[in-house]
Amino acid sequence: NAGVTQTPKFRILKIGQSMTLQCAQDMNHNYMYWYRQDPGMGLKLIYYSVGAGITDKGEVPNGYNVSRSTTEYFPLRLELAAPSQTSVYFCASREAGQDYGYTFGSGTRLTVV
Amino acid sequence: GNSVTQMEGPVTLSEEAFLTINCTYTATGYPSLFWYVQYPGEGLQLLLKATKADDKGSNKGFEATYRKETTSFHLEKGSVQVSDSAVYFCARTGSARQLTFGSGTQLTVLP
Repeated sequence: NAGVTQTPKFRILKIGQSMTLQCAQDMNHNYMYWYRQDPGMGLKLIYYSVGAGITDKGEVPNGYNVSRSTTEYFPLRLELAAPSQTSVYFCASREAGQDYGYTFGSGTRLTVV
Repeated sequence: GNSVTQMEGPVTLSEEAFLTINCTYTATGYPSLFWYVQYPGEGLQLLLKATKADDKGSNKGFEATYRKETTSFHLEKGSVQVSDSAVYFCARTGSARQLTFGSGTQLTVLP
């Protein structure tokens, strides 16, 4: 099982550029999440999805967009990159039911200069 | 709302020392509780979980007991190893089908 796969692992963007962070899972999980982790801080939820075609905002959605056309894929879009978006981004998925924890991807380290 | 509070880090221990990392949670609903571990340069991995009061989660020598009366889920290990050096996150399930994480505790184990 590949689990949750994130690409790219590293990226440097210039201010104002756009990019899409890719996330794919092969576990047929309905729930998927995007978090950002800033140095020395915990995780902050950006967006989440409870199934294909359904997305919702988390704690820090400004500057980001998501789509969920299939169960497997949950890309995160940055339209106009800003230095404040320099962070490590984690995608996660889980089964329905609150007893299940998340499976995380290995992260994308993004620097905006 | 739902929140999780972890003890401030960083924590530095010598090999074979006893470890406790404190975690408390807000007492709303009947959450499941989790500990995650993050090794350098990697994503978070589930370490252990407990789904109801008095349950004990355990894995790789780590343990945590779901204490409803004190709203706590402290992580313990009797004898830490250098390879346990990592960041540890406590988490609870919330109302919006998501996990709420604590801020993380950096553990360094010295040989």
